[in-house]
Amino acid sequence: DAGITQSPRHKVTETGTPVTLRCHQTENHRYMYWYRQDPGHGLRLIHYSYGVKDTDKGEVSDGYSVSRSKTEDFLLTLESATSSQTSVYFCAATPGTASNTEAFFGQGTRLTVV
Amino acid sequence: GQSLEQPSEVTAVEGAIVQINCTYQTSGFYGLSWYQQHDGGAPTFLSYNALDGLEETGRFSSFLSRSDSYGYLLLQELQMKDSASYFCAVRLTGNQFYFGTGTSLTVIP
Repeated sequence: DAGITQSPRHKVTETGTPVTLRCHQTENHRYMYWYRQDPGHGLRLIHYSYGVKDTDKGEVSDGYSVSRSKTEDFLLTLESATSSQTSVYFCAATPGTASNTEAFFGQGTRLTVV
Repeated sequence: GQSLEQPSEVTAVEGAIVQINCTYQTSGFYGLSWYQQHDGGAPTFLSYNALDGLEETGRFSSFLSRSDSYGYLLLQELQMKDSASYFCAVRLTGNQFYFGTGTSLTVIP
């Protein structure tokens, strides 16, 4: 798993509450990503980061924000959780060089919004 | 936006060969990756094609045709442990990766 750790692994939260998911990597990869996975939709990109404090939106970014203050940490925040954000969230990281495009994934966070 | 299409389900016999196709419509295309995911697990990298042609890694091969916006993953000598979901993913400008909806492969005895 190239040192990708997500926390928490499971979380149940109430509608309207803020939630922060954490992703930590030990390999000093430049690029980091947050995906959500839902049945029938595969992995959908929420936000990604191409360096410290450099982030951009993916295809399903509404309702989510991210921050990357250190190379090793990428945080995903749901400002006000909704039931539609119940999902499994995966963090990934890659060196993103021409010779190494492999993305390494964390084990996922299962989030339930009730 | 990006669009990737792959079959939702494929069933094949142990020891046989199976091909999983992926067609894509996107801009800023750099290459096509394939990932495997077992139930409850994290996706793991299988292969990456930046140029047209076939890349072979053991029992797995991956093909890309940039002019046809098409690629496939070929699994040979299927084993029961190959039962999993397989995702194609396009690598775009800025190292963005967009995934298809996945193909569930079931290997039967």
